[in-house]
Amino acid sequence: LAKTTQPISMDSYEGQEVNITCSHNNIATNDYITWYQQFPSQGPRFIIQGYKTKVTNEVASLFIPADRKSSTLSLPRVSLSDTAVYYCLVGGRLTRSGSARQLTFGSGTQLTVLP
Amino acid sequence: ETGVTQTPRHLVMGMTNKKSLKCEQHLGHNAMYWYKQSAKKPLELMFVYNFKEQTENNSVPSRFSPECPNSSHLFLHLHTLQPEDSALYLCASSQVTAGGAHNEQFFGPGTRLTVL
Repeated sequence: LAKTTQPISMDSYEGQEVNITCSHNNIATNDYITWYQQFPSQGPRFIIQGYKTKVTNEVASLFIPADRKSSTLSLPRVSLSDTAVYYCLVGGRLTRSGSARQLTFGSGTQLTVLP
Repeated sequence: ETGVTQTPRHLVMGMTNKKSLKCEQHLGHNAMYWYKQSAKKPLELMFVYNFKEQTENNSVPSRFSPECPNSSHLFLHLHTLQPEDSALYLCASSQVTAGGAHNEQFFGPGTRLTVL
């Protein structure tokens, strides 16, 4: 099972770029890397997903090196509302007949954006 | 609004009670999930239903019993729980492709369960 490791917490200031790295040394060939954001008393919300190299959407970028043993979520110009817990998730190739590969959430990184 | 609703939002029950958590997704997805989130712990996957078939049960105690009557509804039946089962229970859904690729999960707001 792909275990993930993230920093417990990070602080940043408004307008800065924030990079959160997740380690997943035993990631499997079929595993995707997905990042979620969670505010208190709410369910996680999808941010971005990738398999290799770089993925960018309207809210973030995801950098994955060639060995895929880590990934970095990049949030450009954060604001106070980006204060949340960010989870790195590895796994998730579901098959109709076989058992699902466990979807492993990391411990999460508490990002605090300061004014 | 994520398209996934959960009821009730809060539940307090004694150890001898029987209760059920309900989840409904309005997204047309074919996979649904139950997660448990305890204080200061990562999300723990409990059950996965893919095309209404349970494809994952991560060693969850039998006092938790899932039910998926159709692709839009998911239940978690609770019986003789322990105080350590107090947690936030989250439901999610996703669309699994024909090739088995797992797409993003949409989470409900969760049910805050307290077992006395």
